[in-house]
Amino acid sequence: DVKVTQSSRYLVKRTGEKVFLECVQDMDHENMFWYRQDPGLGLRLIYFSYDVKMKEKGDIPEGYSVSREKKERFSLILESASTNQTSMYLCASTPTGGKGQPQHFGDGTRLSIL
Amino acid sequence: GENVEQHPSTLSVQEGDSAVIKCTYSDSASNYFPWYKQELGKRPQLIIDIRSNVGEKKDQRIAVTLNKTAKHFSLHITETQPEDSAVYFCAASMGHDYKLSFGAGTTVTVRA
Repeated sequence: DVKVTQSSRYLVKRTGEKVFLECVQDMDHENMFWYRQDPGLGLRLIYFSYDVKMKEKGDIPEGYSVSREKKERFSLILESASTNQTSMYLCASTPTGGKGQPQHFGDGTRLSIL
Repeated sequence: GENVEQHPSTLSVQEGDSAVIKCTYSDSASNYFPWYKQELGKRPQLIIDIRSNVGEKKDQRIAVTLNKTAKHFSLHITETQPEDSAVYFCAASMGHDYKLSFGAGTTVTVRA
């Protein structure tokens, strides 16, 4: 069974802090994604990565960056946290090999910026 | 990019009745359509998916239909049970990459 693990379930940070959200998957998946989930807006893609050292902007990348130094790990970075980044953050992964693959999600990190 | 609209945003049904959620997509190149269920406090989990070469797919009480011409697809849950209460998300993928575009979600409540 695919395991996508996010380092924290809940996180409270202050405005202006640099925040790191970590995600690890154990299925050797090439593709990894970061979403934020807000009520009434569904899941919106922030960044994704098809391979190590590779990253692509999603639909809402402003205020975020990512790092993919190892295949299994994909980190989301809030360079200078702001209150409008308070949200649920979900990491997902999917294998390469035929388009149209389901994404496997982590449990999410509920981030509050005070 | 792809735009997915999902309706209704909330749905309340009596236990044993059917529930239907509808989604439309904008890009005719989309060819993969998964549905996710997210229970309160838990991760989204895939419950069924359909590819554009298929018009309908069924898995026990859950079915999905796809109308490529009209660019819409629907989730049907029959004989609803309290454990079907959750938020359901539809999604679409254009197939040339691995990205998914999600609908805004439907909160389904099954009344006992």
